[in-house]
Amino acid sequence: GENVEQHPSTLSVQEGDSAVIKCTYSDSASNYFPWYKQELGKGPQLIIDIRSNVGEKKDQRIAVTLNKTAKHFSLHITETQPEDSAVYFCAASTGGSGNTGKLIFGQGTTLQVKP
Amino acid sequence: DAGITQSPRYKITETGRQVTLMCHQTWSHSYMFWYRQDLGHGLRLIYYSAAADITDKGEVSDGYVVSRSKTENFPLTLESATRSQTSVYFCASSATQGAGGYTFGSGTRLTVV
Repeated sequence: GENVEQHPSTLSVQEGDSAVIKCTYSDSASNYFPWYKQELGKGPQLIIDIRSNVGEKKDQRIAVTLNKTAKHFSLHITETQPEDSAVYFCAASTGGSGNTGKLIFGQGTTLQVKP
Repeated sequence: DAGITQSPRYKITETGRQVTLMCHQTWSHSYMFWYRQDLGHGLRLIYYSAAADITDKGEVSDGYVVSRSKTENFPLTLESATRSQTSVYFCASSATQGAGGYTFGSGTRLTVV
């Protein structure tokens, strides 16, 4: 089955710097790659996603890139702010007809943005 | 209120007891999921359901049972709780089959003593 590896497990940056979190996946049939942000005491929330027919997607200060050949994808946060501090999860699924599209998650990255 | 709600928010139980965690969603989403979150392991899938009366095991299903008699409810039961089942449990739902995001509940923190 699918396996998703996420690195680093912790990341500390200064406010205003960029942060990058990387994930690799094992199943070449995976075609959907969301990223979730989890704040303390809350459930994960979807912040951005990308499908396998796209190489990059941006939404204001966050962007995700996908390299299907290498089977890895990354989350980029620019101009980090203290409110970006949270745990971030990547995930992968093989969506489509006949498949429940269950997500397999990485281990999570704790991002700390220092003021 | 619209959304996905989990209850209880916190639960302490004794080893060997049966305990049920509740999940309710108001969107009539077809797909529902149970994950557990443990440090160093991220979110691991326990069970999922594609529709009422259709459920299937995830990667860590041993010791857990689910049912889905109604679309909006997806309870998770620990038949005989063990200390290794101490965790934070998250329920999620999704409208789409495959490439679509999940909406998560706020979680239930379960401690087995």
